Amino acid sequence: GQQVMQIPQYQHVQEGEDFTTYCNSSTTLSNIQWYKQRPGGHPVFLIQLVKSGEVKKQKRLTFQFGEAKKNSSLHITATQTTDVGTYFCAAPSSGGYSTLTFGKGTMLLVSP
Amino acid sequence: GAGVSQSPSNKVTEKGKDVELRCDPISGHTALYWYRQSLGQGLEFLIYFQGNSAPDKSGLPSDRLSAGRTAGSVSTLTIQRTQQEDSAVYLCASSLGGTANEQYFGPGTRLTVT
Repeated sequence: GQQVMQIPQYQHVQEGEDFTTYCNSSTTLSNIQWYKQRPGGHPVFLIQLVKSGEVKKQKRLTFQFGEAKKNSSLHITATQTTDVGTYFCAAPSSGGYSTLTFGKGTMLLVSP
Repeated sequence: GAGVSQSPSNKVTEKGKDVELRCDPISGHTALYWYRQSLGQGLEFLIYFQGNSAPDKSGLPSDRLSAGRTAGSVSTLTIQRTQQEDSAVYLCASSLGGTANEQYFGPGTRLTVT
């Protein structure tokens, strides 16, 4: 079935450093979504990308969808301690149902 | 309006007992999803409802887990004869349906089987 590979699994940065997580698929995706889960919390939707080569920004977060629509990235500029959490990408499952397949997530730790 | 709610927030049960976990989706959301998340792990898809029907049950790991949904709204996930491996956070999410719509997650139920 559909798989989305997410790297890295874990990253520890100093506050102020940049951070990037990558999501890759072997198949073309119709769209990709990103979620953030704070420690002890539940996943919260951040954004959806639909178009080839699309770039969207939310303050210090920049989301990109690859030209081939097989990969995506989330980049955080000048991390803050409030960015701590696990970031998941999610793509439509290949089974034809209205379900998403989530990547395993990238856990981000930010030291002050 | 209210978000997705789940109850109980925490449940401790003895091995072998049955448990029921409840999810109240956002009003008007036709799609409902159950996931399981073990400590420090990703989201394991369990089952998907569209209205009252469950077209995708592919994620249910064993026949001890089942789920139902009434009136296209509240859903209950039942785990029979709980095992220690069932210990996890069970998350429910709802959406307007379709993979182009974001999922809204509830706070989860933390299940501990002793």
